Amino acid sequence: KAGVTQTPRYLIKTRGQQVTLSCSPISGHRSVSWYQQTPGQGLQFLFEYFSETQRNKGNFPGRFSGRQFSNSRSEMNVSTLELGDSALYLCASSLGTGVGQPQHFGDGTRLSIL
Amino acid sequence: AQSVTQPDIHITVSEGASLELRCNYSYGATPYLFWYVQSPGQGLQLLLKYFSGDTLVQGIKGFEAEFKRSQSSFNLRKPSVHWSDAAEYFCAVGSTSYDKVIFGPGTSLSVIP
Repeated sequence: KAGVTQTPRYLIKTRGQQVTLSCSPISGHRSVSWYQQTPGQGLQFLFEYFSETQRNKGNFPGRFSGRQFSNSRSEMNVSTLELGDSALYLCASSLGTGVGQPQHFGDGTRLSIL
Repeated sequence: AQSVTQPDIHITVSEGASLELRCNYSYGATPYLFWYVQSPGQGLQLLLKYFSGDTLVQGIKGFEAEFKRSQSSFNLRKPSVHWSDAAEYFCAVGSTSYDKVIFGPGTSLSVIP
């Protein structure tokens, strides 16, 4: 069974631009969560989608948004990029929703803002 | 407020030595508890989880963890460390009350031959 696939693996952008990251979950998984990982803040929850609906949201500005498609694939968009958005963005999928669900992580997208 | 602490930022052990990584949490009720490992350049991999029942849980790669309610702890152990265990380890706690999974700051493990 294929794991969680995130594309692209690396991205370089400049301030003010926008970016879209993609995540394909494990087949059969309906929940997709996104995390931002930085050396200073660690792993921070961005949002979770389940059955095309945003189920939960972390404490991030509105520049961060996401969506989920009917095949459970998810995209995350960041607009008006700032230097502080440089991070590893991780996607995780799980069979169902809820805090008891073990999560399966992709290898992440490394976003660098110049 | 809910929190997860991993008191050790970095630990160095010799190959073959035993290992214990500490994790403490603050929640009202018994939460869902997880340990994940992250190798360089990769995502997180689930090592083990605790929901209820036996407080000593076995995971993959020879790891185990013990839940101690009185100490609000969920420490990860391995009797004999291998060089391939060098990685970042994250404790995570899920609370139905807050409907969130919170990750600890991580412990970086180095293994010396």
